[in-house]
Amino acid sequence: GAGVSQSPRYKVAKRGQDVALRCDPISGHVSLFWYQQALGQGPEFLTYFQNEAQLDKSGLPSDRFFAERPEGSVSTLKIQRTQQEDSAVYLCASSLAARGWPEAFFGQGTRLTVV
Amino acid sequence: GENVEQHPSTLSVQEGDSAVIKCTYSDSASNYFPWYKQELGKRPQLIIDIRSNVGEKKDQRIAVTLNKTAKHFSLHITETQPEDSAVYFCAATLNSGYSTLTFGKGTMLLVSP
Repeated sequence: GAGVSQSPRYKVAKRGQDVALRCDPISGHVSLFWYQQALGQGPEFLTYFQNEAQLDKSGLPSDRFFAERPEGSVSTLKIQRTQQEDSAVYLCASSLAARGWPEAFFGQGTRLTVV
Repeated sequence: GENVEQHPSTLSVQEGDSAVIKCTYSDSASNYFPWYKQELGKRPQLIIDIRSNVGEKKDQRIAVTLNKTAKHFSLHITETQPEDSAVYFCAATLNSGYSTLTFGKGTMLLVSP
């Protein structure tokens, strides 16, 4: 596609519910990032994939958060047993190469509200 | 890890005025500094970036300056227009391996007609 696509755009979850957020990166982009953006804050790094390999998950706030990119294209961020503090916009970004080309293109994000 | 501070948090200017947003970073190894514009409810979009081998870069009404010694960089917007109103984020990263961006907290720029 022309850009990074994320779905759903909005998700309301009841506390304790599991959610899955999808990211379709730009075709051919090797690198894929997930960021969490709380209201009024800058995006904060969650995890990074190079093709299908998850090379960095240091930003995941707890073991309730899990991400995968099994075929090196589409990625899913899963949050188990959601809590109110998980409410945020989840942004996905992709970039063309793993080295020397850091320009990241962002999706529109999924706004998660946990009630 | 890297820490990026951004000021001011809000900035109000009249149309036609200049706007300046400043950021400082902590990791002297950082060598790539992008600026993103995010309109309400929309995705962050790269507007300009600078690498550590240059001190200034300009693109029409937008310019970025970098002082590596002081570890700070700034965004300058001249002849502001109402459509420049948005939240602007600075970021810093290492241009090696994968490049995880560390963002500032953002500056809400309001340009009044």
